[in-house]
Amino acid sequence: SQTIHQWPATLVQPVGSPLSLECTVEGTSNPNLYWYRQAAGRGLQLLFYSVGIGQISSEVPQNLSASRPQDRQFILSSKKLLLSDSGFYLCAWSGVGRQYTDTQYFGPGTRLTVL
Amino acid sequence: DQQVKQNSPSLSVQEGRISILNCDYTNSMFDYFLWYKKYPAEGPTFLISISSIKDKNEDGRFTVFLNKSAKHLSLHIVPSQPGDSAVYFCAASGNSGYALNFGKGTSLLVTP
Repeated sequence: SQTIHQWPATLVQPVGSPLSLECTVEGTSNPNLYWYRQAAGRGLQLLFYSVGIGQISSEVPQNLSASRPQDRQFILSSKKLLLSDSGFYLCAWSGVGRQYTDTQYFGPGTRLTVL
Repeated sequence: DQQVKQNSPSLSVQEGRISILNCDYTNSMFDYFLWYKKYPAEGPTFLISISSIKDKNEDGRFTVFLNKSAKHLSLHIVPSQPGDSAVYFCAASGNSGYALNFGKGTSLLVTP
């Protein structure tokens, strides 16, 4: 069966510091990978998705970037965090092909607080 | 622009009764709809989905109904159990991209 891991679970960072969140998926090959953010009182917003190694698409302009160095590894980064980057960050994966792409499976999430 | 709306932020139901969670969407290009369940400090868990070619999909205690003409879907939980207490998110996707469009969620409380 497939599992998805995220770390760290919680993170408190000062404004202006760098960020690196990691996500890995097990039990599947060539998944589509996604980064979402849930800000307080809001729904989930897609930040980035990737259909393959080195292929990153950004959904919204922001202070963050993403990379996919390996097939089942997805990294969310920032060079300098802003207060507005606080939120709950979720990684997700889905299968390839329209019939599988639509159902996304989420990791446990990372709670980021920027002070 | 919120294309998927869950207008009830919270719902309280007695154990054993039916829970009905509602969701409306505005984009007529959406053709696949999903419900996720989320506990605090955890990622959403996929519950059930429905394609636009159907009007009903059932999985155990969970049934999703889709009314395309009204752009409305609902999730029925029968019978409701205390362990169902969580936030439920409705999501929708279309053929134009990879994003799932989420509603803001409905917090369900099932009381004994």
